[in-house]
Amino acid sequence: DVQLVESGGGLVQPGGSLRLSCGTSGFTFSHYYMTWVRHTPGKGLEWVANIGQDGSYKYYVDSLKGRFTISRDNAKNSLYLQMSSLRAEDTAVYYCARDTGKRTVDHWGQGTLVTVSS
Amino acid sequence: DVVMTQSPLSLPVTLGQPASISCRSSQSLVYSDGNTYLSWFQQRPGQSPRRLIYEVSNRDSGVPDRFSGSGSGADFTLKISRVEAEDLAIYYCLQGTHWPYTFGQGTKLEIK
Repeated sequence: DVQLVESGGGLVQPGGSLRLSCGTSGFTFSHYYMTWVRHTPGKGLEWVANIGQDGSYKYYVDSLKGRFTISRDNAKNSLYLQMSSLRAEDTAVYYCARDTGKRTVDHWGQGTLVTVSS
Repeated sequence: DVVMTQSPLSLPVTLGQPASISCRSSQSLVYSDGNTYLSWFQQRPGQSPRRLIYEVSNRDSGVPDRFSGSGSGADFTLKISRVEAEDLAIYYCLQGTHWPYTFGQGTKLEIK
C-alpha cells in the first residue's frame, strides 16, 4: 500500500523556521513527482510546491517563493519542505501528496499541523 | 490565478437521494495537449483528502460507481446517484491545467 507520513509540524513564532518531512513507502519514490499542499482555515486547500523525480524541477506558488524550499532524498524515499520567515497566515495543516505526473495528485499523507503564533 | 468556484457550499441531502456539486473555473481548463485536468476529492471528517475523479470523468480505483464526473471547458459537475451515510464529507475540485494549480472552496455534504 502507498503510504505517506508527514512529521515536523508544531508551534513556531512569527519569523521562525520549520522543516517538514514526509516519509514514503509502497511505491518507487524516485519515479514520481511530489507535492506539498496546505489547508488553511481562511483559504482552504492551497497548492504549495512541486518537485520533479530527480529534484531538478521545482515549482512554487508565487506568494511563497523565497520563503519555502522543497527538496527530496530519493535514497531515503523522503520529501521535505523547509519553511522560513513564517507568518501567522502560514498556519495550516501541511500535506505531502504523490503527484501522478498528470497534473493532479492521488495519494495524500495524514498531514502535519503548523501553528505560527507568539 | 485560476479561480475555482464551487456551488453550493453546503448541500443538505436525504440519504438515498441524488446530489450534484458544481465547479466553475475562471478560464477554460482545456490544456494544450487536448486534455482537461479537473479532479475531484472527498475529505471525510478527520481524514486526508481522497481522490475520486481525475481528468473530468475518470473514476479512481475503488470509488463506488454512484460517483460520476462530467463537464467540459470551464463548467464541471460531480454527481452522486444515491447518497449514502459514508458520503458525508467535504468535496473539492482541483484544476491542474494552469499553474498554480488551484482548488475550489469545498462543498460540505450534510444530512437534511
